[in-house]
Amino acid sequence: AQSVTQLDSQVPVFEEAPVELRCNYSSSVSVYLFWYVQYPNQGLQLLLKYLSGSTLVKGINGFEAEFNKSQTSFHLRKPSVHISDTAEYFCAVSGNTPLVFGKGTRLSVIA
Amino acid sequence: DTEVTQTPKHLVMGMTNKKSLKCEQHMGHRAMYWYKQKAKKPPELMFVYSYEKLSINESVPSRFSPECPNSSLLNLHLHALQPEDSALYLCASSQVPGPSGNTIYFGEGSWLTVV
Repeated sequence: AQSVTQLDSQVPVFEEAPVELRCNYSSSVSVYLFWYVQYPNQGLQLLLKYLSGSTLVKGINGFEAEFNKSQTSFHLRKPSVHISDTAEYFCAVSGNTPLVFGKGTRLSVIA
Repeated sequence: DTEVTQTPKHLVMGMTNKKSLKCEQHMGHRAMYWYKQKAKKPPELMFVYSYEKLSINESVPSRFSPECPNSSLLNLHLHALQPEDSALYLCASSQVPGPSGNTIYFGEGSWLTVV
């Protein structure tokens, strides 16, 4: 089975500052890793995913994430955030079970 | 077009009512999912349909009854629900079933309130 830990439940950050949302996973098999974003009162939208190959993955809206197998991490980064990035961010893993989500990180961008 | 459409967006029902949530996708996906999401929590898997057959039921109470009439449609029939069943119900689909790197696409969800 797989599991995901998102280390921060809330991350406040000032507009135009960089941000990193942390995600660690646990699995006994090879995994596929995802980041989803959920804006208020909406469904989930895929930001990016890691399947194989290059460990640096670029996604939509200027986000990127780096897969680190030795540290079992898949942290999400953005060099400069906007007010519109305020949302809930979910890290998720799929291996030999259906998609498993972390508890989410609430990113609040402050003007 | 990567769209999963859910209706209704909002539903209020009494504990003795029977209602249904509907989901539709036209991406040719062969796996469809129902998730339940409570406030400030991650989505929790309820059911998975693979090639129109129920493949996973995550021990969901029988007051929730899924149905997949064809490869594009997924319903969730609701009967005798409890107030604690109030939540956002998310439908999703992916190209193929099974744990893999396939992206799961989510709808906007149906907000259910049980009174």
